Amino acid sequence: DQQVKQNSPSLSVQEGRISILNCDYTNSMFDYFLWYKKYPAEGPTFLISISSIKDKNEDGRFTVFLNKSAKHLSLHIVPSQPGDSAVYFCAAIFSLSGGGSNYKLTFGKGTLLTVNP
Amino acid sequence: DTGVSQDPRHKITKRGQNVTFRCDPISEHNRLYWYRQTLGQGPEFLTYFQNEAQLEKSRLLSDRFSAERPKGSFSTLEIQRTEQGDSAMYLCASSLLIYEQYFGPGTRLTVT
Repeated sequence: DQQVKQNSPSLSVQEGRISILNCDYTNSMFDYFLWYKKYPAEGPTFLISISSIKDKNEDGRFTVFLNKSAKHLSLHIVPSQPGDSAVYFCAAIFSLSGGGSNYKLTFGKGTLLTVNP
Repeated sequence: DTGVSQDPRHKITKRGQNVTFRCDPISEHNRLYWYRQTLGQGPEFLTYFQNEAQLEKSRLLSDRFSAERPKGSFSTLEIQRTEQGDSAMYLCASSLLIYEQYFGPGTRLTVT
């Protein structure tokens, strides 16, 4: 079962406009959420993250919003540039209580963003 | 280049052969992870090292898979008796903080 879901396989936007990439999760124990960007034949590149105690984190053109009650997060890219065209992965991580720790990232299937000039 | 490096970048092997991949993490990172990615999927966790200790292994890591990190530096992932289902991109990541993991370029394995 997919604990992290990216329901849009692809998104196309015009250069200069806003790109909004969405992600839903099912496990309320997730502590921390990350977005990665991946170009073909390369490994994922870390973009931005957010802790579950926050609802927004901003870094330049990238802003991540977290709605814990809806178990939903989104990545906003403003303004979008052609170089942003890539696959974007949402990932989540949690720590287990009771002495155990879980450091694995759980990824969604990704959304292919295409920014048209 | 101070990023995570992986070698080889591509490997083609015949079914039944053994393969070994190497990962060199960012030098000050004490945590190292292996993931596997197949077409249309996100990366899936395989195993995690803190220094030289292997602290967690996924159920995806069958008995044919073994990973080591001697001396807490580079790591190797070996697959014995490869099967066609092992064809995937094998990604290595490292981190200093718990959460933000930095990935290498991956090794693409094709089993024929």
